[in-house]
Amino acid sequence: DIQMTQSPASLSASLGETVTIECLASEDIYSNLAWYQQKPGKSPQLLIFYANSLNDGVPSRFSGSGSGTQYSLKINSLQSEDVSIYFCQQNYDSPPTFGGGTKLELK
Amino acid sequence: EVQLVESGGGLVQPGRSLKLSCAASGFTFSNYGMHWIRQAPTKGLEWVASISPSGSNTYYRDSVKGRFTISRDNAKSTLYLQMDSLRSEDTATYYCATGRTANWELLFDYWGQGVMVTVSS
Repeated sequence: DIQMTQSPASLSASLGETVTIECLASEDIYSNLAWYQQKPGKSPQLLIFYANSLNDGVPSRFSGSGSGTQYSLKINSLQSEDVSIYFCQQNYDSPPTFGGGTKLELK
Repeated sequence: EVQLVESGGGLVQPGRSLKLSCAASGFTFSNYGMHWIRQAPTKGLEWVASISPSGSNTYYRDSVKGRFTISRDNAKSTLYLQMDSLRSEDTATYYCATGRTANWELLFDYWGQGVMVTVSS
């Protein structure tokens, strides 16, 4: 199975700040990388797919980048509603696998 | 509006069975692959099983193969997960989810609210 490693595991940032979350795959996943947001007590939501494509309805302050084994999620101008756990997931090979999550809190 | 509503969870003893259902609405259910993903308490996400739009192809993670069966009834727009020989490590919130498009992508777009399964004596 492809292992997905996220960093950091937790992150504290201020409103308006820019934050970046990293995801490292154990092998090349050819940009088959998605990001999900899970707000407290809610189900996950698909934010970004194929590394940099924004899902419908996702604010443009979210962006994704990367290639090969290294990917990142960037949130510009952090808002209070962005407090969540963020997961990366590879859909290059079965079984699809998720990173361990990054918990984003407000400072 | 896409809606996925899971049901059938609960407390069950190790070795027993449970069947989850996921009632879908707001989209053409028969066009989409469907998936079960679980999340153990305070843990990350783990893909469990997937089924093709017609139901002819099914896929499982190794740890549930031979114990879980995913199925669907397109006439009822309902997805199922039959869970047999349950183990304590199957304790989790189980989510059903749609594929992002009618293509087979293993991307999970719409998610249900989740249903809790607790395996304990």
